[in-house]
Amino acid sequence: GAGVSQTPSNKVTEKGKYVELRCDPISGHTALYWYRQSLGQGPEFLIYFQGTGAADDSGLPNDRFFAVRPEGSVSTLKIQRTERGDSAMYLCASSLQGAGEQYFGPGTRLTVT
Amino acid sequence: AQKVTQAQTEISVVEKEDVTLDCVYETRDTTYYLFWYKQPPSGELVFLIRRNSFDEQNEISGRYSWNFQKSTSSFNFTITASQVVDSAVYFCALSEGEEEGGSEKLVFGKGTKLTVNP
Repeated sequence: GAGVSQTPSNKVTEKGKYVELRCDPISGHTALYWYRQSLGQGPEFLIYFQGTGAADDSGLPNDRFFAVRPEGSVSTLKIQRTERGDSAMYLCASSLQGAGEQYFGPGTRLTVT
Repeated sequence: AQKVTQAQTEISVVEKEDVTLDCVYETRDTTYYLFWYKQPPSGELVFLIRRNSFDEQNEISGRYSWNFQKSTSSFNFTITASQVVDSAVYFCALSEGEEEGGSEKLVFGKGTKLTVNP
């Protein structure tokens, strides 16, 4: 079956602009996660959705970052007033409720110039 | 607080050698899960294994094996007879159980870059 998909694969934006990153999880997976990975580091947790609600957003670095999942499937990560420090690979993962194994998408590489 | 330490930043071996990747974790929970993921040069994280804290049996899958020891808080990964295609960054990760509001978020180590030379 289809895996987790993320669009766009690459995004280049200017400092101060607004960006949206999209994640389409595996069909039937109720849990969805966003992570951020900087070069040479492991992924860092941003936010977790169970269904439509954000169950844990403790990893969001500040209020410029926001994510939604209005129908419990596709999720959008939104970043306002982007800064150069936001440049990273943004990864999305999904899992069956309670199963624990998280399956990752290919990521969106965000570059803020 | 959760923490995962992968002390080996980079390892280089020659094809057919065995190699062990170390992982040490910290958690206060009695229920937790340990994972290994592979990130090849293409970039996509590939799930390899999930192990819960109550199952200390070692696991073997083909050339891959995992050794879980709660006494030393370690979950090491061994590749037997390594191949060039094993070249990748390998991440160990930890998640706490759902009790007390745990979200199963993964806490990753910094990864070990494995290079297998022909």
